[in-house]
Amino acid sequence: AQSVTQPDIHITVSEGASLELRCNYSYGATPYLFWYVQSPGQGLQLLLKYFSGDTLVQGIKGFEAEFKRSQSSFNLRKPSVHWSDAAEYFCAVGRGNTPLVFGKGTRLSVIA
Amino acid sequence: DAGVTQSPTHLIKTRGQHVTLRCSPISGHKSVSWYQQVLGQGPQFIFQYYEKEERGRGNFPDRFSARQFPNYSSELNVNALLLGDSALYLCASSLDGDYEQYFGPGTRLTVT
Repeated sequence: AQSVTQPDIHITVSEGASLELRCNYSYGATPYLFWYVQSPGQGLQLLLKYFSGDTLVQGIKGFEAEFKRSQSSFNLRKPSVHWSDAAEYFCAVGRGNTPLVFGKGTRLSVIA
Repeated sequence: DAGVTQSPTHLIKTRGQHVTLRCSPISGHKSVSWYQQVLGQGPQFIFQYYEKEERGRGNFPDRFSARQFPNYSSELNVNALLLGDSALYLCASSLDGDYEQYFGPGTRLTVT
């Protein structure tokens, strides 16, 4: 069965520091891959997606993610974190007619 | 343009009651999906509707049902509520059922 693992439940970074959120997936074929962000009391906002092609994907708000087939990973990165990036981040996978499967999320805290 | 809207924002129900949650998709979007997000977990797929037809259903009991109306808005119904149904219910719309989904702010359901 398809599954998504986000190993880090909670990460704290200093403002201006770099960020990497990990995502590993289990899927029969190469899935479509997504990162969403959820602020408190808000719905999910799509940060970026990977369908095929270039394995380094650029998204909104300065985020990027890299698909590594050999590691079944799709880690999210940002070179310099802003206080407004504090939120919950979800990795998700899907393919064809199958519904999206989400990880349990990583909560990001940003300190001054 | 208005995004995905959901009503009500919050709801408190008693065990055994039923509840109806409503969702209005982005104008022009023909597909609506419903997700349940329990505290500390990622969203879990419940239903997808496209052009008023059920396209997919997640692993939820028959107490959960949904429908889509001619104007593409949607209702999620849950009967015989259990404490475990307490969650944030998210609606997402997409143009034609693809993975470019836009999420609403959700309805917070509390069952006591």
